[in-house]
Amino acid sequence: KNEVEQSPQNLTAQEGEFITINCSYSVGISALHWLQQHPGGGIVSLFMLSSGKKKHGRLIATINIQEKHSSLHITASHPRDSAVYICAVSSYGGATNKLIFGTGTLLAVQP
Amino acid sequence: GAVVSQHPSRVICKSGTSVKIECRSLDFQATTMFWYRQFPKQSLMLMATSNEGSKATYEQGVEKDKFLINHASLTLSTLTVTSAHPEDSSFYICSATGGGETQYFGPGTRLLVL
Repeated sequence: KNEVEQSPQNLTAQEGEFITINCSYSVGISALHWLQQHPGGGIVSLFMLSSGKKKHGRLIATINIQEKHSSLHITASHPRDSAVYICAVSSYGGATNKLIFGTGTLLAVQP
Repeated sequence: GAVVSQHPSRVICKSGTSVKIECRSLDFQATTMFWYRQFPKQSLMLMATSNEGSKATYEQGVEKDKFLINHASLTLSTLTVTSAHPEDSSFYICSATGGGETQYFGPGTRLLVL
């Protein structure tokens, strides 16, 4: 079993839909990261959070430390949101901020 | 925001040759840099962690003599794939931190070994 699991693996949505991607982890963490990887390969860090909720534009990330679960929400989705979304955690006791990655969620938003 | 660059973005080489990939932090001092490899439709795999001025720490299963990492300054780390073979063909990504937990990722280098 992976230490970081994401669901769904693949997601197709219509433009304008509300999207949720889930992430569960089994290790103690100091922070959880949501990353976005576009088809060209470049990775952008969307959020880093250790508690509660963060919002940036149409993106919202929440984390429940007790349940070891995080969600990434996209409101009013747009085709340009199409990408792979990756959940990663910085593990307690890990050296030098090493990240443990989920397998990613491939999102396709159709016009 | 913090910017990390990689060079080259794409490289094709013959089997047996060595390839050097550069990772630079453009507007901050990177105390730690990470090198990842990503195969198609798979997640990132950490290869090694490097701190400026010290030897890199390699993950289990990564050959340090094949993947040479140098982090000679606070803004530059290099990964050299020595005697490359077709199975080394992959997408290589670096990231850097300036001391905090946020990692800033480079755009990646796509390596194809013929």
